[in-house]
Amino acid sequence: DQQVKQNSPSLSVQEGRISILNCDYTNSMFDYFLWYKKYPAEGPTFLISISSIKDKNEDGRFTVFLNKSAKHLSLHIVPSQPGDSAVYFCAASPPRRFGNEKLTFGTGTRLTIIP
Amino acid sequence: GAGVSQSPSNKVTEKGKDVELRCDPISGHTALYWYRQSLGQGLEFLIYFQGNSAPDKSGLPSDRFSAERTGGSVSTLTIQRTQQEDSAVYLCASSLVQGHIYEQYFGPGTRLTVT
Repeated sequence: DQQVKQNSPSLSVQEGRISILNCDYTNSMFDYFLWYKKYPAEGPTFLISISSIKDKNEDGRFTVFLNKSAKHLSLHIVPSQPGDSAVYFCAASPPRRFGNEKLTFGTGTRLTIIP
Repeated sequence: GAGVSQSPSNKVTEKGKDVELRCDPISGHTALYWYRQSLGQGLEFLIYFQGNSAPDKSGLPSDRFSAERTGGSVSTLTIQRTQQEDSAVYLCASSLVQGHIYEQYFGPGTRLTVT
């Protein structure tokens, strides 16, 4: 049972335009969400996160939106740059009080920025 | 500062052999995680160590898999009697668990190929 889903395995966007990566989750106990970026032959790198008490978090060109009622989050990158080409993973965590810190990851979306 | 390091970076082994994968977390990080990524899949949680607590082994796929963390720092993941389906990239991550900070920092991974 895939609790975190990234339904688009790949996405191509023109340089300078907005990239929107989507993620859906099924477990209503998740209350913290993260995006990771992965280049080939490297480990994932933390990008941005959002707590369930917020619906938006912004960091430079990156903004994450959370819609709890729809169990949906998205990552917006604007403007997109060639260096943004990578695989992006969405991840989710239950509250710490449950004592389980492990992240549940989606299958990733490969973003290609076209110069 | 030094990030999470893993060794070896690549390992090719024959079916039935045992392998050991090593992870050196970021100094001072109390939590350590092992994940694996099979071809075309997301990151699959394997095991989680937090301080002196008993590890969360709920993600280990079989009893051929085990892990230990010595002195609250270095961790070794051992796979006994390897099978071809064990071929994957094994990723280690560490985090400083405090407050609402969940971000995990990943190493570059060990690519295991079982022939």
